[in-house]
Amino acid sequence: NAGVTQTPKFRVLKTGQSMTLLCAQDMNHEYMYWYRQDPGMGLRLIHYSVGEGTTAKGEVPDGYNVSRLKKQNFLLGLESAAPSQTSVYFCASTKDRVYGYTFGSGTRLTVV
Amino acid sequence: QKEVEQDPGPLSVPEGAIVSLNCTYSNSAFQYFMWYRQYSRKGPELLMYTYSSGNKEDGRFTAQVDKSSKYISLFIRDSQPSDSATYLCAMSDHTGNQFYFGTGTSLTVIP
Repeated sequence: NAGVTQTPKFRVLKTGQSMTLLCAQDMNHEYMYWYRQDPGMGLRLIHYSVGEGTTAKGEVPDGYNVSRLKKQNFLLGLESAAPSQTSVYFCASTKDRVYGYTFGSGTRLTVV
Repeated sequence: QKEVEQDPGPLSVPEGAIVSLNCTYSNSAFQYFMWYRQYSRKGPELLMYTYSSGNKEDGRFTAQVDKSSKYISLFIRDSQPSDSATYLCAMSDHTGNQFYFGTGTSLTVIP
C-alpha cells in the first residue's frame, strides 16, 4: 500500500518552460488536493478535486491547471513556469474531508 | 490578516517536558481543527482532528479547542527526541472544502 505517490521528487525548470506534476493514490479516495509550501507562508491550496472528472480552484490557483481524468490520479500543470512558482508542492487525498488528509512526500521545484 | 496564526518558534525543550503548541484564528465559522506533524523534507502526517470545542486525547497528545477565544492547542506529554519536527495546525468551516494551515512551529526535544 503506497498511499500517495508524487513524481518527480525534484525538478529544475527554466522560466517559461512547462511541466506536469503527477499525484497517484491507491486508497480509493474521492478527494484530492494540490498545495504549495513556502517559508513563512505555510501550506496554501492551489486546486482540489471532489471526485473523478471534477476540479475547483483553491486559494492560489493562478498559473496552474489541473486534471482528474482518473479517480486515482491528480495532475498539476505549469504552462509557463515563473520564479515565483519555486516551491515545494504537496499532493494530498482523503476519503472524508473532515477526518484529515494523507500527504505525499512532496516535489521540490526550482524555477530559474 | 492571515486566517490562521501560529508562532514559528523554534521551540527547544528537554526530553520528558510537556510541550504546548498553539494557533489562533480569525474566522468564527471554523469548525474542524487538525494537527499535523512534519519531519524535515517529508510530507505532513495527521496527528489529531477535532470538531468544534472541547478536548481530545490520544496517547501522549491532547488537542484543545476554545472557539470563544478562537484558540487551539496541542499538548505533548513526556516529549521524546522523536517528537522533534514541525507541527502544523489546520482548520476549516463546516464544508471542509478548504483547510487553512498555520505556518508551523518547529520543535526540538533535546535528549
